[in-house]
Amino acid sequence: AQSVTQPDIHITVSEGASLELRCNYSYGATPYLFWYVQSPGQGLQLLLKYFSGDTLVQGIKGFEAEFKRSQSSFNLRKPSVHWSDAAEYFCAVGAQAAGNKLTFGGGTRVLVKP
Amino acid sequence: EPEVTQTPSHQVTQMGQEVILRCVPISNHLYFYWYRQILGQKVEFLVSFYNNEISEKSEIFDDQFSVERPDGSNFTLKIRSTKLEDSAMYFCATRIGIADTQYFGPGTRLTVL
Repeated sequence: AQSVTQPDIHITVSEGASLELRCNYSYGATPYLFWYVQSPGQGLQLLLKYFSGDTLVQGIKGFEAEFKRSQSSFNLRKPSVHWSDAAEYFCAVGAQAAGNKLTFGGGTRVLVKP
Repeated sequence: EPEVTQTPSHQVTQMGQEVILRCVPISNHLYFYWYRQILGQKVEFLVSFYNNEISEKSEIFDDQFSVERPDGSNFTLKIRSTKLEDSAMYFCATRIGIADTQYFGPGTRLTVL
C-alpha cells in the first residue's frame, strides 16, 4: 500500500527566507509524486509533479522539488518566501495502475511572518 | 483555462437525508475521482471512475455512497443516508489519461446536522 508522511505539521518562516517542506513516501514501484497547495477555504492547486526524468522539477510560484529515490523523498523548496505563500501544502503519491488514486500526506501548514 | 467545477459550494443537511454532490469535469477528461477532507485532517481518496464504472474504491466508500455520470457531463456523488461523520469537504478531481495530473475542483463543504 502506498503512503505519504509529512513530518512537519507547522512551519513558520520569515518573509524572504528560504523554505523546505519534507515529504517521504512509501510505494512499491516508481511513483508519481505531486505537491499541492491549499489556501484557506480553497481547493487544491497543483504546484508541481514528478513522473520521470530529471529528478529536480520546477513548478509554479517559484517552487521546486527534488525526487530522491534512495531516500524515498520528494522535498519542496522555495528560495525566498512571500507572504502569499502562507497556506497548507500537501504531498501526494499516485499509483501507476488501477484507479490511479492519489494518497496524500497529512499536510504542512506554513505561516509567514513579516 | 478549463476548470473543474462543483456545486453546491456548501450543503447543509439533516442526518439521514440524501445528498447529491455535483461535479462538471474538464471536457476531454476521462478519469474521475472523489476525495474528502474532514476538517483538520488529510485528504482521503473515496472512489475513481472510468468508462462508466468504478475503477477503485476505498473502505470509506460503503453502500451509502454511489457515483454516476448520468448525462455524460456531470459526475455525481450520492450519499443515501447522511451521518454526522460525513461532514467534510468533498473534492472532485479529473484527469485526461493515466499518466497525467489530477485537477481538483474547489470542493463542496457538506455539513450534516
